[in-house]
Amino acid sequence: RKEVEQDPGPFNVPEGATVAFNCTYSNSASQSFFWYRQDCRKEPKLLMSVYSSGNEDGRFTAQLNRASQYISLLIRDSKLSDSATYLCVVNILYGGSQGNLIFGKGTKLSVKP
Amino acid sequence: NAGVTQTPKFRVLKTGQSMTLLCAQDMNHEYMYWYRQDPGMGLRLIHYSVGEGTTAKGEVPDGYNVSRLKKQNFLLGLESAAPSQTSVYFCASLRQTNTGELFFGEGSRLTVL
Repeated sequence: RKEVEQDPGPFNVPEGATVAFNCTYSNSASQSFFWYRQDCRKEPKLLMSVYSSGNEDGRFTAQLNRASQYISLLIRDSKLSDSATYLCVVNILYGGSQGNLIFGKGTKLSVKP
Repeated sequence: NAGVTQTPKFRVLKTGQSMTLLCAQDMNHEYMYWYRQDPGMGLRLIHYSVGEGTTAKGEVPDGYNVSRLKKQNFLLGLESAAPSQTSVYFCASLRQTNTGELFFGEGSRLTVL
């Protein structure tokens, strides 16, 4: 089982829709969690960190459920420019090192006019 | 401020050849990473380093070696390239793991014939 698993996608939604992505992680010792965005043929870029209490950045809301070991990303009022692949990233404590940043396979979002 | 620079950006190798990918960062970051990205597989961690002189294995370390002799450089070596190592390689650096903000290079596209 992969350490970090995401919805397979792709998600095809109309402009203005609300869309949610989930991500599960297997290592309960995981320290921190993030969502990244990757545009086609580009490098990934940090979208937002995920905090235990949940956090919001404009149209984006991230939540963490440590008991169930999953994180989520909600995008409200989708824009065409939101079309990208969204990657879940987990910092897994491994062998005493906190540097083990593992990516999920990503979920592709396509927002249509 | 160049950020993270990878060289070369493109390379074609024959099976059995060796090569080194160089990653350089000018942000004085402690952590550095090498990932590979393949269609449908997301980013997979090859090796990483939590500081000068240290390296650690990631998810898919076999067939690769790394060195971090200087804080600003992280080298990825392929001693005997195989077609299965055809991929896009991304280098990234990170100041602190709790921030999660990886700064990526633009990627290096490697083809092994």
